[in-house]
Amino acid sequence: DGGITQSPKYLFRKEGQNVTLSCEQNLNHDAMYWYRQDPGQGLRLIYYSQIVNDFQKGDIAEGYSVSREKKESFPLTVTSAQKNPTAFYLCASSISGAGSIYEQYFGPGTRLTVT
Amino acid sequence: EDKVVQSPLSLVVHEGDTVTLNCSYEVTNFRSLLWYKQEKKAPTFLFMLTSSGIEKKSGRLSSILDKKELFSILNITATQTGDSAIYLCAVSFYDKVIFGPGTSLSVIP
Repeated sequence: DGGITQSPKYLFRKEGQNVTLSCEQNLNHDAMYWYRQDPGQGLRLIYYSQIVNDFQKGDIAEGYSVSREKKESFPLTVTSAQKNPTAFYLCASSISGAGSIYEQYFGPGTRLTVT
Repeated sequence: EDKVVQSPLSLVVHEGDTVTLNCSYEVTNFRSLLWYKQEKKAPTFLFMLTSSGIEKKSGRLSSILDKKELFSILNITATQTGDSAIYLCAVSFYDKVIFGPGTSLSVIP
């Protein structure tokens, strides 16, 4: 089955700890994205990558970091510098990069709670 | 500033009603407008619109784009409880995608 997987579904961390969210796709898509969703605010772009070993900041990149060492994988690290990390995080991929006409396919999301 | 606005933000209807969801945008170098449905977790793709005036249809759902007035509508006829979801509008332009806040639709029996 082709698709995008995210793990874990739920994650609990204490304030001050870094945490890494996993995102893997087997759709052979070049582009991958990370979004954050808060109630009533839709999806906000954190980082995106249009090709292996390259990525760009989105609108709310502060306190987050990513890597794209393999085409299939785009992990997101939420660092202790992120002021309000508790949120629902969605990973997505598309055939080619943002600004193209291709739709995005989304993973099931990870709900992160930091206390 | 590039932005995508959706209205209404929340809507409650009875089964069988017809609803119209609105999406307006202000971006440079527009490429496409996309509609997604989000029920529990992952948004699922509904439509992609790139040309004005051409209606896209899928069952009871349809959508159209007006590039002159910079808006799109999503129509759902004969609503069912399974249509209850958040409907997201996204605009692809230059090298990024912006999502609107979404419309939360609740269909009650």
